[in-house]
Amino acid sequence: NAGVTQTPKFQVLKTGQSMTLQCAQDMNHNSMYWYRQDPGMGLRLIYYSASEGTTDKGEVPNGYNVSRLNKREFSLRLESAAPSQTSVYFCASSDPQGWETQYFGPGTRLLVL
Amino acid sequence: QKEVEQNSGPLSVPEGAIASLNCTYSDRGSQSFFWYRQYSGKSPELIMFIYSNGDKEDGRFTAQLNKASQYVSLLIRDSQPSDSATYLCAVPSGGSYIPTFGRGTSLIVHP
Repeated sequence: NAGVTQTPKFQVLKTGQSMTLQCAQDMNHNSMYWYRQDPGMGLRLIYYSASEGTTDKGEVPNGYNVSRLNKREFSLRLESAAPSQTSVYFCASSDPQGWETQYFGPGTRLLVL
Repeated sequence: QKEVEQNSGPLSVPEGAIASLNCTYSDRGSQSFFWYRQYSGKSPELIMFIYSNGDKEDGRFTAQLNKASQYVSLLIRDSQPSDSATYLCAVPSGGSYIPTFGRGTSLIVHP
């Protein structure tokens, strides 16, 4: 049982480049989330998916797109990366049996030059 | 004003002492409250959740909830250097199940 996995672990991009962050969970959770974490800002929700086939914006969606490929996978895409998107990105899934407790992946550290 | 507020710290306590971490929230309708621990360079992990007024104990950890005053606390008894981490308070609000996270309190337990 791997829990929540994310790839890549670390990425360096140049301004304007695009990339997709991958996330998968094997806990059969319906809901999945993408957060970014910046120093002093805490965790901020980018997008979430309450179930397969649905996605909704969170607090900071600008510059990002998401795809809920199936129940297991939820990807985050940066179409044209900007230095302001330098951050640590966490994917999470939640358990409705446990009051929607969130389980986090190991994170992706992204540096945009 | 952020919906979930925490003192950023750092809170420094000696080994063996009780560490007290506090969190206030703005939505009176919030029903569930979570504490996550995050070690430096790692992802958050759940350590406690509480949904009833009063105390909930799990080993050295106690969560205290006071809905009337809109605060939730985390007490760590017999603090160990391995407890040194950032503690995040998370509270779903606005009728949503999705939590808003506080900015976290950094705890340092020194030998």
